[in-house]
Amino acid sequence: DQQVKQNSPSLSVQEGRISILNCDYTNSMFDYFLWYKKYPAEGPTFLISISSIKDKNEDGRFTVFLNKSAKHLSLHIVPSQPGDSAVYFCAASATTSGTYKYIFGTGTRLKVLA
Amino acid sequence: NAGVTQTPKFRVLKTGQSMTLLCAQDMNHEYMYWYRQDPGMGLRLIHYSVGEGTTAKGEVPDGYNVSRLKKQNFLLGLESAAPSQTSVYFCASTNTGGWLGDTQYFGPGTRLTVL
Repeated sequence: DQQVKQNSPSLSVQEGRISILNCDYTNSMFDYFLWYKKYPAEGPTFLISISSIKDKNEDGRFTVFLNKSAKHLSLHIVPSQPGDSAVYFCAASATTSGTYKYIFGTGTRLKVLA
Repeated sequence: NAGVTQTPKFRVLKTGQSMTLLCAQDMNHEYMYWYRQDPGMGLRLIHYSVGEGTTAKGEVPDGYNVSRLKKQNFLLGLESAAPSQTSVYFCASTNTGGWLGDTQYFGPGTRLTVL
C-alpha cells in the first residue's frame, strides 16, 4: 500500500526549460510535505517543503505546489540546470498523529540536458 | 560539525553472517531512522527511534534489530544476512520527528551486498 506515489520514474528536460516533478498521496492525515534531492553515492538532502495550510512555497528556482483536494503536489524547477540532474524524492508526514515518521515516494530521476 | 555519519561505507557479507551498521549524529537530535533504498522502491523505513533507549518498527523491520543506547548513536543489526538484504542503507536524524518546519538529515549511506 503505497501512501506516497511518484508515477514517473524518470524525466528528461532541456537546460533552461521548466522541470515538473509530480507526487500523489493517499493518506488524508498527511499535512506536511517535503522534497529531497539525491545525487549518486550520497544521502538525500532537503530541498523544499510545504505545509497543508499553504498551496505554494517558493525558494529561488524551486517552487512546490500543493493541491489538497486532489492529494497532489508538484515541484517546479525554473530554469533547469545540468546540476539539477539527480533523483528527487517527495515525502509526507502526518504531524498531528504522533507517529514521528516520514513516508517517501519511489523517486523520479531527472536528467537536464545541456 | 560532521552531521550524520555512517560506518562502514561498503560491506560484502555471505549469507548467514551477521553485522552491525553504525550511525552517529552530532546535532543532538532526538529522532533517528534507518531506511533502505532499493531500485524502484524508494526509501523504506526499517526502524526508528524517538529518543535514547527507545526503538520502534517501520515498514520493513523483519530481519533487522536496532539499539539506541546513546542519544547520538543508532545501530542497525543483521543477525543472519540474506541476499534480499542487499541494499543501500541510509540513516537519518531529525529534531522534532516530522513536525512542521522539520527536516531529516541523512548520512552518506552504506552499500551492503549479501552473497
